[in-house]
Amino acid sequence: QVQLQESGPGLVKPSETLSLTCTVSGGSISSYYWSWIRQPPGKGLEWIGYIYYSGSTNYNPSLKSRVTISVDTSKNQFSLKLSSVTAADTAVYYCARDHCTNGVCYTGVFDYWGQGTLVTVSS
Amino acid sequence: EIVMTQSPATLSVSPGERATLSCRASQSVSSNLAWYQQKPGQAPRLLIYGASTRATGIPARFSGSGSGTEFTLTISSLQSEDFAVYYCQQYNNWQYTFGQGTKLEIK
Repeated sequence: QVQLQESGPGLVKPSETLSLTCTVSGGSISSYYWSWIRQPPGKGLEWIGYIYYSGSTNYNPSLKSRVTISVDTSKNQFSLKLSSVTAADTAVYYCARDHCTNGVCYTGVFDYWGQGTLVTVSS
Repeated sequence: EIVMTQSPATLSVSPGERATLSCRASQSVSSNLAWYQQKPGQAPRLLIYGASTRATGIPARFSGSGSGTEFTLTISSLQSEDFAVYYCQQYNNWQYTFGQGTKLEIK
């Protein structure tokens, strides 16, 4: 059973860079798309971006100038960096994997999720 | 950006009754529409993709329909564990967007 686990600082100062890592266990990071999704407290979900195991990326245009997603296949991990954070970036950050069944993958459909990690932006 | 609009924001239904949740896209997303269930303190759970295909392990009382810009999630006979927030999400154009959610509460 594939499991995802987010890790990183729970508190980041305004204007600094938020950095999170998602560790994948129970399966390989290869051959899948991996996304970051966030949810401000009491609000809805926002897709941040994805990375393919080969390293190709795609970001939400509203965040593109501040986001970098990278992958380390040797560690079965992928990471998120969000620069110049403000209080509006306070959220639970989830990592997630695309849904694949019967050899077909549905990019943009998320069936494996991490438990989420709350990141608060505050001085 | 494709904007997803869900209605109603809150739906009050009694256990055993049917619940119908709506989702509208600002432009056609074909059948590239998923539904998720989220309970407090938990990550979302995939229920439906392709507008109408149930994910593995999802009970048959959950059904999805629609295409283009109008979609519906129906829960045929509500169980206590079904009271949660439901999100629709489009994945049509490599830029994914979610609706704002419908909270399904016990009447």
